[in-house]
Amino acid sequence: EIVLTQSPATLSVSPGERATLSCRASEGINNNLAWYQQKPGQAPRLLVYGASTRATGIPARFSGRGSGTEFTLTISNLQSEDFAIYYCQQYNSWAEAFGQGTKVEIK
Amino acid sequence: EVQLVQSGAAVKKPGESLKISCKGSGYSFTSHWIAWVRQMPGKGLEWVGIIDPVDSDSRVIPSFQSHVSISVDKSISTAFLQWRSLEASDTAIYFCARREVHYGLVVWGQGTMVTVSS
Repeated sequence: EIVLTQSPATLSVSPGERATLSCRASEGINNNLAWYQQKPGQAPRLLVYGASTRATGIPARFSGRGSGTEFTLTISNLQSEDFAIYYCQQYNSWAEAFGQGTKVEIK
Repeated sequence: EVQLVQSGAAVKKPGESLKISCKGSGYSFTSHWIAWVRQMPGKGLEWVGIIDPVDSDSRVIPSFQSHVSISVDKSISTAFLQWRSLEASDTAIYFCARREVHYGLVVWGQGTMVTVSS
């Protein structure tokens, strides 16, 4: 079973700044990694798939990178609507687990 | 519009049974697997299991296997998550999502809040 470890647990960032979130897989996942954003009271929303491809309608300030076991999601020029919890998820092999999440909060 | 619409909130007592639903519309329901995800109060997302609407082939992760079952009725484009005997620890929001190969979970239902309390 593949385990995903996200860091940090909480990231305090000022609007307009950049946030970098990390996701590490316990073994290689062939870039079959997605990032989701979840706001309070809402379902998660797909941001990035294939480690680096933005989903439909996702602003360019969201960018994913990485391969193998190390992945990052960078949010540039943070907007007020970006303060949320972000999860990574691997869909390379059963079970398609999530990381524990990174909360991006206003500094 | 492609969407997954889930059944409404449920309040149950320990030991009771429950079946919640997830109805797909706006696309060919048998084209994509449906996944179930749990979110306990104030916690993160947990993968529960997945089902292929074509042939009802399903998988549930070991920690849930003895406790929940996943089914589908493709004639009404609906997937189900079912418990025979609820426990207080089942209290959570349950999301269904459309899983697309190479993309992950692209379309999500709105979530169903399940509360189990005596």
